[in-house]
Amino acid sequence: AQTVTQSQPEMSVQEAETVTLSCTYDTSESNYYLFWYKQPPSRQMILVIRQEAYKQQNATENRFSVNFQKAAKSFSLKISDSQLGDTAMYFCAFMKHVRSSTGNQFYFGTGTSLTVIP
Amino acid sequence: GAGVSQSPSNKVTEKGKDVELRCDPISGHTALYWYRQRLGQGLEFLIYFQGNSAPDKSGLPSDRFSAERTGESVSTLTIQRTQQEDSAVYLCASSLAVAGGTDTQYFGPGTRLTVL
Repeated sequence: AQTVTQSQPEMSVQEAETVTLSCTYDTSESNYYLFWYKQPPSRQMILVIRQEAYKQQNATENRFSVNFQKAAKSFSLKISDSQLGDTAMYFCAFMKHVRSSTGNQFYFGTGTSLTVIP
Repeated sequence: GAGVSQSPSNKVTEKGKDVELRCDPISGHTALYWYRQRLGQGLEFLIYFQGNSAPDKSGLPSDRFSAERTGESVSTLTIQRTQQEDSAVYLCASSLAVAGGTDTQYFGPGTRLTVL
């Protein structure tokens, strides 16, 4: 079974500073995908960034980047130049492909609540 | 529509009543997922549809919960004889279910269910 662990229930960061959210996962799969989702108080889940496990290069989306360590099964999210609008719950997710008839399966961590302090 | 929509956005019901929650996925998305999120908690997987069939119902918490999907489109999640412990936000997501390739879930805004 796949598990996704986020060991930091809550974090805070000063505006304009950098913060890193950690995520580890456990799998025997060799090909899979990893995601970070953001859920602001509006509760709308928003995709932040996506990483394919077969790619060695870390994904980057503007101020958001990941540190993907496949051997260590670690997938941390770095937020640079934190903004007040980054205040949200952040969920790490893992996806594996099962079969064409049954599609893909997603597994989510328990989330990290990030507060950006003015 | 452009995104996943869910209705109603909020539902208040009395204990013992039945409720139906609706999800409209993104057009063309063959996969549809239901999750439950209790206050301050993570996502709890309920059920997943590939087309109109549900290969994985393992997350449904009891036989009071059921879901169906028709026309590879709209899905309804039904909770019978609601209990106070059913109070939560119910999130729906859809994806293209790309075989062997990158797949991404897109989420609706959720339905907040309150059982009095």
